[in-house]
Amino acid sequence: DQQVKQNSPSLSVQEGRISILNCDYTNSMFDYFLWYKKYPAEGPTFLISISSIKDKNEDGRFTVFLNKSAKHLSLHIVPSQPGDSAVYFCAASTGNQFYFGTGTSLTVIP
Amino acid sequence: EPEVTQTPSHQVTQMGQEVILRCVPISNHLYFYWYRQILGQKVEFLVSFYNNEISEKSEIFDDQFSVERPDGSNFTLKIRSTKLEDSAMYFCASSGQGIPNQPQHFGDGTRLSIL
Repeated sequence: DQQVKQNSPSLSVQEGRISILNCDYTNSMFDYFLWYKKYPAEGPTFLISISSIKDKNEDGRFTVFLNKSAKHLSLHIVPSQPGDSAVYFCAASTGNQFYFGTGTSLTVIP
Repeated sequence: EPEVTQTPSHQVTQMGQEVILRCVPISNHLYFYWYRQILGQKVEFLVSFYNNEISEKSEIFDDQFSVERPDGSNFTLKIRSTKLEDSAMYFCASSGQGIPNQPQHFGDGTRLSIL
């Protein structure tokens, strides 16, 4: 039962352009959403989060958008940098249980 | 910046043996978690732990699994009788200072290989 889905396994973007990573979820009870970045051989690192009462949260180059009616969230990175190349996971939670998507591998081409 | 540490980084164990994975969460955090990621698959929630007891667990976390906070700093995951399908990366995470919906800070994981 995959409650959080990332349908694009990979994405390539030119340096300086915008990266848009997408995530869909099925459980309307989710009230907190997060994006994590993961490098090989390391644990996921928290990037940005959004509560279900908001539709946008911004932190520097990273912006997360939440569309509750569509059960969709996205992460925008602008401008993209080569150091952003990693696997990005979205996660959703209700209570103390977090559900992760399968990840999108982002490659930023210099 | 404080971080979550996990030991060992790689554990190789014979099938049927018990294994204990160790984690030291961030010191002032109150919520603790274990996840696993089978190679090529998604990160899967196993269990959350708060106030010295399990607060939530997934269907993966069956009777073969147990967690413990034996002292004020360590948080352990025990697998009683390992199976081949237990081979995965196991991540420990901690969060919060009393609020469950806080970003989780992850360790770098323990790669468990069952032979």
